[in-house]
Amino acid sequence: ETGVTQSPTHLIKTRGQQVTLRCSSQSGHNTVSWYQQALGQGPQFIFQYYREEENGRGNFPPRFSGLQFPNYSSELNVNALELDDSALYLCASSLGTGTRIQYFGAGTRLSVL
Amino acid sequence: AQRVTQPEKLLSVFKGAPVELKCNYSYSGSPELFWYVQYSRQRLQLLLRHISRESIKGFTADLNKGETSFHLKKPFAQEEDSAMYYCALSGPSEGKSTFGDGTTLTVKP
Repeated sequence: ETGVTQSPTHLIKTRGQQVTLRCSSQSGHNTVSWYQQALGQGPQFIFQYYREEENGRGNFPPRFSGLQFPNYSSELNVNALELDDSALYLCASSLGTGTRIQYFGAGTRLSVL
Repeated sequence: AQRVTQPEKLLSVFKGAPVELKCNYSYSGSPELFWYVQYSRQRLQLLLRHISRESIKGFTADLNKGETSFHLKKPFAQEEDSAMYYCALSGPSEGKSTFGDGTTLTVKP
């Protein structure tokens, strides 16, 4: 059984650029959630994908978008990067939606200069 | 709006002492509550969830709906319990999870 993997581990971008972060869910899991974790804060929910459809979204602007693929892997895309987008981005997978145990990846550290 | 508050950013106790990490929440309805833990250089992982009513690594947490709290307790802290602890809630059928800002627990020898 493979765990949740995220790529890349670190990324540096400049303001206004676009970025794509990737997540492979744990084997057998059909749900992926994305979180943004700023320094000193807890993870903030961005959105969740269940069977390739968005299933819930947090208070993030439309320039944060996502995809889930038939193999349940997922991408998080952020357009028009701002300095405040600098954070750790976490992906978590689970089997089903709602109150399920989430298994987290190690995260992607994004720095926007 | 749903909210999770962990009032203590830092908590330090001596080995063998009792420890309680506080978590208060606001939610319209009956949420599911979780405690996640992150040990040094490891990823975030589930410690326990209230519907399981189990004790993990000596930790327990009781959901108090009247006080809207879900405090994490352990009678005798160990040095290996030193970590960051996050309280989180989810609605029964929601995709969204809300996390607190975490408490860093340090257990001194």
